[in-house]
Amino acid sequence: KQEVTQIPAALSVPEGENLVLNCSFTDSAIYNLQWFRQDPGKGLTSLLLIQSSQREQTSGRLNASLDKSSGRSTLYIAASQPGDSATYLCAVRDNYGQNFVFGPGTRLSVLP
Amino acid sequence: KAGVTQTPRYLIKTRGQQVTLSCSPISGHRSVSWYQQTPGQGLQFLFEYFSETQRNKGNFPGRFSGRQFSNSRSEMNVSTLELGDSALYLCASGIWGEETQYFGPGTRLLVL
Repeated sequence: KQEVTQIPAALSVPEGENLVLNCSFTDSAIYNLQWFRQDPGKGLTSLLLIQSSQREQTSGRLNASLDKSSGRSTLYIAASQPGDSATYLCAVRDNYGQNFVFGPGTRLSVLP
Repeated sequence: KAGVTQTPRYLIKTRGQQVTLSCSPISGHRSVSWYQQTPGQGLQFLFEYFSETQRNKGNFPGRFSGRQFSNSRSEMNVSTLELGDSALYLCASGIWGEETQYFGPGTRLLVL
Protein backbone atom coordinates (compact mmCIF):
# COMPACT_ATOMS: atom_id res chain seq x y z
CA LYS A 1 0.00 0.00 0.00
CA GLN A 2 1.40 3.36 -1.06
CA GLU A 3 2.13 5.81 1.74
CA VAL A 4 3.17 9.42 1.26
CA THR A 5 4.82 11.57 3.91
CA GLN A 6 5.84 15.20 3.87
CA ILE A 7 8.48 17.00 5.89
CA PRO A 8 8.31 19.44 7.55
CA ALA A 9 4.70 19.55 8.71
CA ALA A 10 4.93 23.32 9.09
CA LEU A 11 7.42 25.97 8.09
CA SER A 12 7.68 29.67 8.79
CA VAL A 13 10.19 31.78 6.85
CA PRO A 14 10.84 35.49 6.25
CA GLU A 15 9.97 36.90 2.86
CA GLY A 16 12.67 36.47 0.22
CA GLU A 17 14.06 33.18 1.44
CA ASN A 18 14.48 30.16 -0.80
CA LEU A 19 12.96 27.03 0.65
CA VAL A 20 12.56 23.31 0.03
CA LEU A 21 9.58 21.10 0.82
CA ASN A 22 10.04 17.35 0.91
CA CYS A 23 7.79 14.48 -0.12
CA SER A 24 8.53 10.76 0.30
CA PHE A 25 6.62 7.75 -1.00
CA THR A 26 7.03 4.08 -0.21
CA ASP A 27 6.27 2.41 -3.55
CA SER A 28 8.38 3.58 -6.49
CA ALA A 29 5.93 2.15 -9.05
CA ILE A 30 4.26 5.47 -9.63
CA TYR A 31 2.60 6.83 -12.73
CA ASN A 32 3.25 10.46 -11.81
CA LEU A 33 3.63 12.86 -8.89
CA GLN A 34 1.85 16.15 -8.51
CA TRP A 35 2.31 19.13 -6.22
CA PHE A 36 -0.73 21.16 -5.14
CA ARG A 37 -1.33 24.18 -2.96
CA GLN A 38 -4.39 24.63 -0.81
CA ASP A 39 -5.47 27.94 0.62
CA PRO A 40 -7.56 27.90 3.81
CA GLY A 41 -11.13 26.79 3.20
CA LYS A 42 -10.53 26.30 -0.50
CA GLY A 43 -9.89 23.53 -2.96
CA LEU A 44 -6.55 22.49 -4.38
CA THR A 45 -4.63 24.20 -7.15
CA SER A 46 -2.25 22.12 -9.23
CA LEU A 47 1.29 23.54 -9.28
CA LEU A 48 3.48 21.02 -11.04
CA LEU A 49 3.09 17.52 -12.40
CA ILE A 50 6.06 15.21 -12.99
CA GLN A 51 5.64 12.08 -15.04
CA SER A 52 7.46 8.98 -13.80
CA SER A 53 9.97 9.26 -16.65
CA GLN A 54 10.86 12.86 -15.83
CA ARG A 55 13.34 14.21 -13.28
CA GLU A 56 12.02 17.73 -12.77
CA GLN A 57 9.51 20.37 -13.78
CA THR A 58 9.68 24.14 -13.45
CA SER A 59 7.08 26.86 -13.37
CA GLY A 60 8.14 30.38 -12.53
CA ARG A 61 9.69 30.42 -9.06
CA LEU A 62 8.78 26.78 -8.48
CA ASN A 63 10.90 23.76 -9.29
CA ALA A 64 9.93 20.19 -8.49
CA SER A 65 12.29 17.24 -8.73
CA LEU A 66 11.59 13.52 -8.68
CA ASP A 67 13.88 10.66 -7.69
CA LYS A 68 11.71 7.61 -8.20
CA SER A 69 14.30 5.07 -7.10
CA SER A 70 14.68 6.67 -3.69
CA GLY A 71 11.00 7.52 -3.40
CA ARG A 72 11.51 11.26 -3.02
CA SER A 73 10.37 14.53 -4.50
CA THR A 74 11.26 18.08 -3.52
CA LEU A 75 9.49 21.35 -4.24
CA TYR A 76 11.85 24.30 -4.35
CA ILE A 77 10.35 27.79 -3.97
CA ALA A 78 12.66 30.66 -4.85
CA ALA A 79 12.42 34.13 -3.37
CA SER A 80 9.36 33.33 -1.26
CA GLN A 81 6.54 35.88 -0.95
CA PRO A 82 3.71 36.28 1.58
CA GLY A 83 1.31 35.17 -1.16
CA ASP A 84 3.02 31.78 -1.12
CA SER A 85 1.56 31.12 2.32
CA ALA A 86 -0.61 28.02 1.99
CA THR A 87 -0.55 24.28 2.57
CA TYR A 88 1.43 22.35 -0.02
CA LEU A 89 0.46 18.77 -0.76
CA CYS A 90 2.13 16.18 -2.90
CA ALA A 91 0.21 13.31 -4.42
CA VAL A 92 1.33 10.22 -6.28
CA ARG A 93 -0.69 8.31 -8.81
CA ASP A 94 0.21 4.64 -8.83
CA ASN A 95 0.55 2.24 -11.71
CA TYR A 96 -2.03 -0.18 -10.37
CA GLY A 97 -5.32 1.39 -9.38
CA GLN A 98 -4.43 4.75 -10.85
CA ASN A 99 -5.61 6.31 -7.61
CA PHE A 100 -4.12 9.44 -6.13
CA VAL A 101 -2.49 9.06 -2.70
CA PHE A 102 -1.90 12.36 -0.95
CA GLY A 103 0.64 13.36 1.66
CA PRO A 104 -0.48 15.19 4.82
CA GLY A 105 0.87 18.51 3.55
CA THR A 106 3.33 21.17 4.67
CA ARG A 107 1.81 24.36 6.04
CA LEU A 108 3.96 27.28 4.87
CA SER A 109 3.89 30.77 6.31
CA VAL A 110 5.94 33.48 4.63
CA LEU A 111 6.30 36.49 6.90
CA PRO A 112 6.53 39.99 5.40
CA LYS B 1 -14.36 29.01 -18.63
CA ALA B 2 -16.18 28.41 -15.36
CA GLY B 3 -14.39 26.27 -12.79
CA VAL B 4 -15.61 23.23 -10.92
CA THR B 5 -18.66 24.04 -8.83
CA GLN B 6 -19.88 22.18 -5.80
CA THR B 7 -23.18 22.51 -4.01
CA PRO B 8 -23.98 23.04 -1.28
CA ARG B 9 -20.89 24.71 0.16
CA TYR B 10 -21.84 24.00 3.77
CA LEU B 11 -24.11 21.41 5.28
CA ILE B 12 -25.11 20.36 8.77
CA LYS B 13 -26.70 16.96 9.34
CA THR B 14 -27.35 14.67 12.28
CA ARG B 15 -26.19 11.11 12.79
CA GLY B 16 -28.21 8.55 10.87
CA GLN B 17 -29.31 10.94 8.16
CA GLN B 18 -28.20 10.72 4.57
CA VAL B 19 -26.71 13.43 2.38
CA THR B 20 -26.22 14.08 -1.32
CA LEU B 21 -23.47 16.38 -2.62
CA SER B 22 -23.28 17.69 -6.16
CA CYS B 23 -20.38 18.51 -8.46
CA SER B 24 -20.45 20.19 -11.86
CA PRO B 25 -17.19 19.75 -13.75
CA ILE B 26 -15.50 22.20 -16.06
CA SER B 27 -17.18 22.23 -19.44
CA GLY B 28 -15.68 19.50 -21.62
CA HIS B 29 -14.31 17.50 -18.71
CA ARG B 30 -15.74 14.01 -18.50
CA SER B 31 -13.73 12.67 -15.57
CA VAL B 32 -14.86 13.47 -12.03
CA SER B 33 -13.15 12.38 -8.82
CA TRP B 34 -14.26 12.76 -5.22
CA TYR B 35 -12.04 13.14 -2.14
CA GLN B 36 -12.61 13.40 1.59
CA GLN B 37 -10.37 15.69 3.63
CA THR B 38 -10.20 15.50 7.44
CA PRO B 39 -7.62 16.83 9.91
CA GLY B 40 -6.82 13.31 11.09
CA GLN B 41 -6.70 11.34 7.84
CA GLY B 42 -5.80 14.07 5.39
CA LEU B 43 -6.99 13.87 1.81
CA GLN B 44 -8.34 10.48 0.79
CA PHE B 45 -9.57 9.32 -2.60
CA LEU B 46 -13.20 8.20 -2.68
CA PHE B 47 -13.99 7.34 -6.30
CA GLU B 48 -13.53 8.41 -9.89
CA TYR B 49 -16.10 8.48 -12.68
CA PHE B 50 -15.75 8.70 -16.42
CA SER B 51 -18.57 8.44 -18.95
CA GLU B 52 -21.08 7.58 -16.24
CA THR B 53 -18.98 4.61 -15.08
CA GLN B 54 -17.05 4.28 -11.85
CA ARG B 55 -13.45 3.67 -12.89
CA ASN B 56 -11.67 3.64 -9.54
CA LYS B 57 -12.72 3.34 -5.94
CA GLY B 58 -10.93 4.12 -2.72
CA ASN B 59 -11.14 2.25 0.54
CA PHE B 60 -14.41 3.55 1.95
CA PRO B 61 -17.44 1.65 3.24
CA GLY B 62 -20.48 1.02 1.09
CA ARG B 63 -22.30 3.91 2.77
CA PHE B 64 -20.39 6.12 0.37
CA SER B 65 -21.67 5.95 -3.18
CA GLY B 66 -21.67 8.10 -6.25
CA ARG B 67 -22.90 8.43 -9.76
CA GLN B 68 -22.27 10.46 -12.87
CA PHE B 69 -24.86 11.72 -15.30
CA SER B 70 -24.70 11.97 -19.07
CA ASN B 71 -23.81 15.68 -18.81
CA SER B 72 -20.79 14.68 -16.63
CA ARG B 73 -22.26 16.18 -13.47
CA SER B 74 -21.69 13.94 -10.50
CA GLU B 75 -23.29 13.32 -7.15
CA MET B 76 -22.03 11.51 -4.13
CA ASN B 77 -24.25 10.12 -1.43
CA VAL B 78 -23.45 9.18 2.14
CA SER B 79 -26.07 7.16 3.97
CA THR B 80 -26.44 6.61 7.72
CA LEU B 81 -24.13 9.46 8.58
CA GLU B 82 -21.61 9.07 11.39
CA LEU B 83 -19.80 11.75 13.36
CA GLY B 84 -16.58 10.74 11.61
CA ASP B 85 -18.04 11.67 8.24
CA SER B 86 -17.61 15.33 9.14
CA ALA B 87 -15.14 16.55 6.55
CA LEU B 88 -14.45 18.71 3.55
CA TYR B 89 -15.56 16.83 0.44
CA LEU B 90 -13.69 17.86 -2.67
CA CYS B 91 -14.55 17.18 -6.26
CA ALA B 92 -12.07 17.39 -9.12
CA SER B 93 -12.59 17.21 -12.85
CA GLY B 94 -10.26 16.46 -15.68
CA ILE B 95 -9.88 15.16 -19.18
CA TRP B 96 -9.45 11.42 -19.18
CA GLY B 97 -5.88 10.63 -20.15
CA GLU B 98 -4.57 13.99 -19.01
CA GLU B 99 -3.25 14.03 -15.51
CA THR B 100 -4.03 17.49 -14.20
CA GLN B 101 -7.10 17.65 -12.04
CA TYR B 102 -9.02 20.82 -11.33
CA PHE B 103 -10.54 21.04 -7.89
CA GLY B 104 -13.72 22.68 -6.72
CA PRO B 105 -13.96 24.69 -3.48
CA GLY B 106 -15.46 21.74 -1.61
CA THR B 107 -18.52 21.05 0.50
CA ARG B 108 -17.96 21.24 4.23
CA LEU B 109 -20.15 18.68 5.99
CA LEU B 110 -20.70 18.73 9.73
CA VAL B 111 -22.42 15.75 11.33
CA LEU B 112 -23.86 16.36 14.79
